Amino acid sequence: AQSVSQHNHHVILSEAASLELGCNYSYGGTVNLFWYVQYPGQHLQLLLKYFSGDPLVKGIKGFEAEFIKSKFSFNLRKPSVQWSDTAEYFCAVAPSSGTYKYIFGTGTRLKVLA
Amino acid sequence: EADIYQTPRYLVIGTGKKITLECSQTMGHDKMYWYQQDPGMELHLIHYSYGVNSTEKGDLSSESTVSRIRTEHFPLTLESARPSHTSQYLCASSDLTLGAGYNEQFFGPGTRLTVL
Repeated sequence: AQSVSQHNHHVILSEAASLELGCNYSYGGTVNLFWYVQYPGQHLQLLLKYFSGDPLVKGIKGFEAEFIKSKFSFNLRKPSVQWSDTAEYFCAVAPSSGTYKYIFGTGTRLKVLA
Repeated sequence: EADIYQTPRYLVIGTGKKITLECSQTMGHDKMYWYQQDPGMELHLIHYSYGVNSTEKGDLSSESTVSRIRTEHFPLTLESARPSHTSQYLCASSDLTLGAGYNEQFFGPGTRLTVL
């Protein structure tokens, strides 16, 4: 069955620290990949998306993610986090063929200490 | 302004009641989804729709039902609520742009349901 794994459930960082959140998926075909963020009290919203082309994708608020096809990974990075990055982050995969279903990971709760 | 709306935001009801969670979007998206979200868990897809008069059950078994009579409206109904239905329910919509893959899903604010 298709699945998405996020290795870190809770991450605590100090401001200015670097961030990397892991995401691995299991699906043998072509996929579209997403990172969503949910700030406290707000809707889930898109951080960035990979469809094709350059495997290094840049998103909003200084986030980026790298698609490594051989590792089935799509890790999220930010060189220097801010207190306002405190949120829950979800990785999602949408297989390019077949149904229009998106598969989400369990989420990583990030807390940034001021 | 294009958006996706859910009502009510919070609902506390007794066991056995029938409830309908409303979801509307103003973006003209064909595809709409209902997810169940519990703390520390992934979003579980319970229903989705490709368009008007098209509905499918998702991966998570659910006793709820949905309808899609209009493009913008995708309500979810529980005929007889039970405490096991206590959860957060998220509605989302998306579209597919030819040549650009899957577009993002737009999410509503969610309905937090508590069944006593």
